Amino acid sequence: DAGVIQSPRHEVTEMGQEVTLRCKPISGHNSLFWYRQTMMRGLELLIYFNNNVPIDDSGMPEDRFSAKMPNASFSTLKIQPSEPRDSAVYFCASNRDRASSAFFGQGTRLTVV
Amino acid sequence: GIQVEQSPPDLILQEGANSTLRCNFSDSVNNLQWFHQNPWGQLINLFYIPSGTKQNGRLSATTVATERYSLLYISSSQTTDSGVYFCAVESSNDMRFGAGTRLTVKP
Repeated sequence: DAGVIQSPRHEVTEMGQEVTLRCKPISGHNSLFWYRQTMMRGLELLIYFNNNVPIDDSGMPEDRFSAKMPNASFSTLKIQPSEPRDSAVYFCASNRDRASSAFFGQGTRLTVV
Repeated sequence: GIQVEQSPPDLILQEGANSTLRCNFSDSVNNLQWFHQNPWGQLINLFYIPSGTKQNGRLSATTVATERYSLLYISSSQTTDSGVYFCAVESSNDMRFGAGTRLTVKP
């Protein structure tokens, strides 16, 4: 298996633009997590899906952020409109269930100018 | 929500030295993992260890769930061990990370 695949690896965008980050979890994994990593706040959980259903989105910072998982092999995290303070590395992770290891993608480094 | 505290925040070692990293958590957990974030930012899964002891080469981990802590041992450290070590715990509906221990191994 290729592991968790995220795209793009790097994204630079202007303030106010829409940004869409993509994630393909490991096949057979039923849970998917989106995290944001910054120097100030460390690794923050944004949203957690189980069997394609959002279970906990309390970490989504505000309404500008939205996430979807239309099927078991694909998820998106959208920011609209983007702001400079959204600059961070966004990670996607998946695991088979709550009693198993989670594996991370390589992350998307987002810079909003 | 559950609180995760890691110590020490920073650690500098000479190559060949041993070290112990600690993770304390505030509530019972279903899942605990240790990750290594290398200097390129990649998060590598080290151990899935909600309880008990596991070993993988020079690394081992022990979780005492009843006392709400986990330890990561690194023996005979190498420069490639440098990076940030994270503890992550899963309780109800999420997986929360500690702030990490930044390890620097000097040659």
